[in-house]
Amino acid sequence: AQSVTQLDSQVPVFEEAPVELRCNYSSSVSVYLFWYVQYPNQGLQLLLKYLSGSTLVKGINGFEAEFNKSQTSFHLRKPSVHISDTAEYFCAVGGGNKLTFGTGTQLKVEL
Amino acid sequence: SQTIHQWPATLVQPVGSPLSLECTVEGTSNPNLYWYRQAAGRGLQLLFYSVGIGQISSEVPQNLSASRPQDRQFILSSKKLLLSDSGFYLCAWKVKGSYGYTFGSGTRLTVV
Repeated sequence: AQSVTQLDSQVPVFEEAPVELRCNYSSSVSVYLFWYVQYPNQGLQLLLKYLSGSTLVKGINGFEAEFNKSQTSFHLRKPSVHISDTAEYFCAVGGGNKLTFGTGTQLKVEL
Repeated sequence: SQTIHQWPATLVQPVGSPLSLECTVEGTSNPNLYWYRQAAGRGLQLLFYSVGIGQISSEVPQNLSASRPQDRQFILSSKKLLLSDSGFYLCAWKVKGSYGYTFGSGTRLTVV
């Protein structure tokens, strides 16, 4: 069984400030982790993924995430956010034939 | 190139009416196919997935069903819609053995 917990349902942040979106996972099989972004009324776009290798993963739009096996976490970070980063962000864990999502974090970037 | 088509984009249906949402994939063969639902404040819930024609796995018991009549076609259906079926439905696919899931643009279903 696998599950994902995103503790923060909403994260407000000012433009150009850093942000961290938290994700914790549990899985009984090999861990493959993902972050997706969803803009209003659109599908999901892959930001980055961790399959193996380096625990620091760099993605699109300046985002990065760090896989921490001991803390079962995969937090998403960006050093300086833009208004255009306002969207909903989903963490997901994959294994076998399924991708299991967290409940999402709404990132709201303010001027 | 590989693409995924999902339609319609929006749909308003009365309670008790039937539903049929279609998803097709181009540029690949024998993909895994998925239906997810996104309800307000509840994240993305996996409803069904299929690893081949006629093979459907149901993740959540509910008022919906899925079928895969052709290799690259995945259909989500209901005989009688409930208010609780409202939500944003997303289709996705991936190549077997890979971890690259690709999502469609979604269908916004409102049951009134």
